[in-house]
Amino acid sequence: GQQVQQSPASLVLQEGENAELQCNFSTSLNSMQWFYQRPGGSLVSLFYNPSGTKHSGRLTSTTVIKERRSSLHISSSQTTDSGTYLCALAGGYKVVFGSGTRLLVSP
Amino acid sequence: DMKVTQMPRYLIKRMGENVLLECGQDMSHETMYWYRQDPGLGLQLIYISYDVDSNSEGDIPKGYRVSRKKREHFSLILDSAKTNQTSVYFCASSLSTNSGNTLYFGEGSRLIVV
Repeated sequence: GQQVQQSPASLVLQEGENAELQCNFSTSLNSMQWFYQRPGGSLVSLFYNPSGTKHSGRLTSTTVIKERRSSLHISSSQTTDSGTYLCALAGGYKVVFGSGTRLLVSP
Repeated sequence: DMKVTQMPRYLIKRMGENVLLECGQDMSHETMYWYRQDPGLGLQLIYISYDVDSNSEGDIPKGYRVSRKKREHFSLILDSAKTNQTSVYFCASSLSTNSGNTLYFGEGSRLIVV
């Protein structure tokens, strides 16, 4: 079965609303990363977060190892947050990506 | 400057032609990757390279081969391209295969095989 599952698959917000993106994994965690991909563009690393909570501006990532989940919280969303958010689970050389959450923030 | 550069960014090829996608990084990273991204399938690992001339198949290596003769360059080769190889190809690098290292991605190479 799929090792990394993301939810929701897509999300539409009004500017200013908050978002909670989820990543669940079925195998043991070595590291968890969150990436942002703008439409038609490359992937940019947001967080490397194997456990605990990390903050970066309006973004917060929380990984709970024993529950095999990681979340990405976006507060006070902006139109420029629109794009796809991917989580990736790494173990040794292998990095497995979730299928992503497409976020659209409208003005 | 911590950058992964891919060339070409866009490419149209006829079925049966050979394709060369090139990737460079300026961070002296040991490990480099080639992924393809397709709607509904996400990112799939084609090949990984641990260092010069040390390459390993990923999840979908069939129809592809790679070359890494210098640490900073990693090439993806399609011998006799097929229409189902139409995709966006991403190169990435990381300091090593230690799972604590961040992946850095290139801008992607969009290949259309007609």
